[in-house]
Amino acid sequence: DAKTTQPPSMDCAEGRAANLPCNHSTISGNEYVYWYRQIHSQGPQYIIHGLKNNETNEMASLIITEDRKSSTLILPHATLRDTAVYYCIAPVPWDGGSQGNLIFGKGTKLSVKP
Amino acid sequence: NAGVTQTPKFQVLKTGQSMTLQCAQDMNHEYMSWYRQDPGMGLRLIHYSVGAGITDQGEVPNGYNVSRSTTEDFPLRLLSAAPSQTSVYFCASSYIYPNTGELFFGEGSRLTVL
Repeated sequence: DAKTTQPPSMDCAEGRAANLPCNHSTISGNEYVYWYRQIHSQGPQYIIHGLKNNETNEMASLIITEDRKSSTLILPHATLRDTAVYYCIAPVPWDGGSQGNLIFGKGTKLSVKP
Repeated sequence: NAGVTQTPKFQVLKTGQSMTLQCAQDMNHEYMSWYRQDPGMGLRLIHYSVGAGITDQGEVPNGYNVSRSTTEDFPLRLLSAAPSQTSVYFCASSYIYPNTGELFFGEGSRLTVL
């Protein structure tokens, strides 16, 4: 079972910031949170990941709460091409924590509108 | 740099037929995996491999076989196709383990079983 909870859908106006929430209250202390997106029917694409500090790259920013029970992916200036399903993932470890598979839930369908 | 290559992109089978979905990566990645995605659903892990000669089951392994004779290739075999296996199949790879970095996906193989 996925260890994360996301809203099924969200809308965002083009040019505005898109803030996608994710709850992961059962995540353990050494597990990263990953974000991927899937545009139409293409293969998922990695966006960003983090442990407990906020992270930023050329695609997005990731804000993780201090208690690590939730996080928010921020697309600072959403474009129509950002319309996609966004997956928040906490890995499922297979050896007690140091290795793990990524189990995808249903994600959040983000629709960026003109 | 081809990345992760899947063949075929489309396939139609009759119930009971067998086939192999091919997956190859040219990034010298140790970890490879197969996911399936049904309409409106997230991705579900079928099988994975952490290196040549090593494979293990994911969430939904029944009806599928895999082998990993080389680092580059990770074929998925359907021995007796069933309509329930109609889906889009994605192959993915990562350098070591998917919870330590980026997971790279192929473009998908769309399978219909009549």
